[in-house]
Amino acid sequence: DGGITQSPKYLFRKEGQNVTLSCEQNLNHDAMYWYRQDPGQGLRLIYYSQIVNDFQKGDIAEGYSVSREKKESFPLTVTSAQKNPTAFYLCASTRRGGGWNEKLFFGSGTQLSVL
Amino acid sequence: QKEVEQNSGPLSVPEGAIASLNCTYSDRGSQSFFWYRQYSGKSPELIMSIYSNGDKEDGRFTAQLNKASQYVSLLIRDSQPSDSATYLCAVNGEYGNKLVFGAGTILRVKS
Repeated sequence: DGGITQSPKYLFRKEGQNVTLSCEQNLNHDAMYWYRQDPGQGLRLIYYSQIVNDFQKGDIAEGYSVSREKKESFPLTVTSAQKNPTAFYLCASTRRGGGWNEKLFFGSGTQLSVL
Repeated sequence: QKEVEQNSGPLSVPEGAIASLNCTYSDRGSQSFFWYRQYSGKSPELIMSIYSNGDKEDGRFTAQLNKASQYVSLLIRDSQPSDSATYLCAVNGEYGNKLVFGAGTILRVKS
């Protein structure tokens, strides 16, 4: 079955530590996205990539980094510069690059907490 | 700053009733509008999209769009306890540059 796989489901970060959230899709979609969701808030865009080897900052990119070396993979690194990383992180994809009018397919999410 | 506003709720309705969820947006040039359902601890799933003024029906769901009033709504007929979830409104800007999500409305359907 095609879909988006996020791992791990739960992740704990120690102060000063960088952690990487994995996102893999087998939908052959061009565009991939990372969103952050805090309790009682909507999804906020961290980074997005419309094509391999290219990505753009979203609204809250500070303290995060990404790479897009393969079409299938879009890992997100939460760096030590992100002072309040506790949140639910969602990876998503759309069929076409620039496909903001298209249906977003979501992964199952990663809950990141600070120890 | 583009904004999408929703009443956080919770909105409580009895089983079998019509649930009405509302959303307003600030970008007058917005072209695409989406409703996502999100169960606690799960990822959002798309239930309706609408692009032109008027109503769009899909099963028990009806999306309504009024661009002049910058207002989009979702009606759920014959509400079921399984409809209890958070409903997120998402709006795409005039140039299709990104989706902006509202904070969501919590719906509780009581049996």
